[in-house]
Amino acid sequence: SQKIEQNSEALNIQEGKTATLTCNYTNYSPAYLQWYRQDPGRGPVFLLLIRENEKEKRKERLKVTFDTTLKQSLFHITASQPADSATYLCALAADTGRRALTFGSGTRLQVQP
Amino acid sequence: DAGVIQSPRHEVTEMGQEVTLRCKPISGHDYLFWYRQTMMRGLELLIYFNNNVPIDDSGMPEDRFSAKMPNASFSTLKIQPSEPRDSAVYFCASSYHSQETQYFGPGTRLLVL
Repeated sequence: SQKIEQNSEALNIQEGKTATLTCNYTNYSPAYLQWYRQDPGRGPVFLLLIRENEKEKRKERLKVTFDTTLKQSLFHITASQPADSATYLCALAADTGRRALTFGSGTRLQVQP
Repeated sequence: DAGVIQSPRHEVTEMGQEVTLRCKPISGHDYLFWYRQTMMRGLELLIYFNNNVPIDDSGMPEDRFSAKMPNASFSTLKIQPSEPRDSAVYFCASSYHSQETQYFGPGTRLLVL
């Protein structure tokens, strides 16, 4: 069956360090993958999208990689700040023609000052 | 723009009662999504519309759930009769036809007693 796995344990890092979050998937051939941020009591907020033919995407302090051979995406936040503390969700779309997203369970990031 | 608007923000009801959740998408967006989020199952897509037409309702749990989109600026998700296991946060999201980014509303926190 199709499965998306994110580390369910919280990730605790020190301010200024790079946070790396992992999204693994099985039995999928996603057309694209998205990362969202969710703060407590709020809806998810879009961060980055990477397509199946792209290896890496960057936006300010954020970087996403996509390895379709390993079936894995890595999400990096460089020079992390306490304000980056949140839950980060990855989401896969099966094809570009359909907009249905399947979300992972999310990883909670805590950046310590 | 005010973003995606959902109402009510909180709903407490008794088992067996009808519940109606409402959503106003961002003006100009032609895709609308309904999601449900629980600790156990994470964020799940229930149904999505394109130009007011339901495209994929495979995530709707059972016949007790129904969704409508009578026009481009309004959608409802109805649960009748409600059950305690329907307790969750329900999110509405919208997107523009040329972008895969989904914009989420603040959610409706539903508690069925």
